[in-house]
Amino acid sequence: NAGVMQNPRHLVRRRGQEARLRCSPMKGHSHVYWYRQLPEEGLKFMVYLQKENIIDESGMPKERFSAEFPKEGPSILRIQQVVRGDSAAYFCASSLTGMETQYFGPGTRLLVL
Amino acid sequence: GNSVTQMEGPVTLSEEAFLTINCTYTATGYPSLFWYVQYPGEGLQLLLKATKADDKGSNKGFEATYRKETTSFHLEKGSVQVSDSAVYFCALSEEGNQFYFGTGTSLTVIP
Repeated sequence: NAGVMQNPRHLVRRRGQEARLRCSPMKGHSHVYWYRQLPEEGLKFMVYLQKENIIDESGMPKERFSAEFPKEGPSILRIQQVVRGDSAAYFCASSLTGMETQYFGPGTRLLVL
Repeated sequence: GNSVTQMEGPVTLSEEAFLTINCTYTATGYPSLFWYVQYPGEGLQLLLKATKADDKGSNKGFEATYRKETTSFHLEKGSVQVSDSAVYFCALSEEGNQFYFGTGTSLTVIP
């Protein structure tokens, strides 16, 4: 059973470009969570999604950030018009149900130049 | 609200030394508690968990006991190895909606 997959592992963008981060949950998992880890800090919750629904987006910045988890395909975290402060590691986690342990992917390290 | 306070690092120990990393939490209900480990350049791996008071989670020689009276979940290992060098995160989850993480404690074990 493959674990949580994230791609790309590393992403470099210039200020003003768009960043798209992908997450494929573990097989059978329908709950996906996105977290951001700034340098030297812990993980901060961003958004919780189930298939086709956003359950909790209380940690998402109000502008430029969006997330989706379509019926088919991976979950996407999209950052428009990136700024240097968006440079961070973005981790995706999945769980079987909303009550189970979350399993984390290897992360996407975004660098904004 | 929910929060996790974790012992600040970095922590440097000699091989075979005893390890304690303190973690205390604040929660509105009855959370599950977790320790995750992050090796350089990798994602978080679940190390152990406890879902109710007085439960003890254990894995790979690490242990932590869910103490409701002191709202703590301290991580311990009797004899650390060089391969244990990593960053350790304490976390809580209520109803699974999201995890609240501590800031992480970096551990370096020297031979």
